Amino acid sequence: SQQGEEDPQALSIQEGENATMNCSYKTSINNLQWYRQNSGRGLVHLILIRSNEREKHSGRLRVTLDTSKKSSSLLITASRAADTASYFCAMNSGYSTLTFGKGTMLLVSP
Amino acid sequence: ETGVTQTPRHLVMGMTNKKSLKCEQHLGHNAMYWYKQSAKKPLELMFVYNFKEQTENNSVPSRFSPECPNSSHLFLHLHTLQPEDSALYLCASSREGASGGTDTQYFGPGTRLTVL
Repeated sequence: SQQGEEDPQALSIQEGENATMNCSYKTSINNLQWYRQNSGRGLVHLILIRSNEREKHSGRLRVTLDTSKKSSSLLITASRAADTASYFCAMNSGYSTLTFGKGTMLLVSP
Repeated sequence: ETGVTQTPRHLVMGMTNKKSLKCEQHLGHNAMYWYKQSAKKPLELMFVYNFKEQTENNSVPSRFSPECPNSSHLFLHLHTLQPEDSALYLCASSREGASGGTDTQYFGPGTRLTVL
């Protein structure tokens, strides 16, 4: 199955530092998406990277995709306390739906 | 606000109760989804509706019964639930169509369900 795996499961940093989260998957994809979830709330779409793209930027977010290694990373630069949330990768393998990973919990301390 | 609303936000029910969760999207999307999110587990897809037709049912117990009267509304009817069904239930929608549920999904805030 196309279960994604985020790494690390939890990450604790200070404000101003960069946060890097990784996602690995098993089968080929059409695109990979990153979502953010504040505690007890719904998920919010952050960024989508297609299988023929290697890097994408959106504000303080940078996503990379390595299809040969079946992995993606999400970098948040100059983190803020408001970035504290869980981050999920979701794989589109061309089938009916997205498959979500277990998520990385990010804690940014002031 | 993502354009997807869910009610109620919190629900406590006994195992013999019958209740319904409601989801409404104001985005003009054609696909809607129910997910279950339990502590320390990946997001579990329950049901998918595309143009009001159910296109996916991930082996969900019959005590969960979805209903999609139109592309904007989705319900999840609950009856004789078990304590292990306590979770955050999330609704999502996407533009979708014949290509399947692969577009960006827009989530509601969820219903926190507790089964006593």
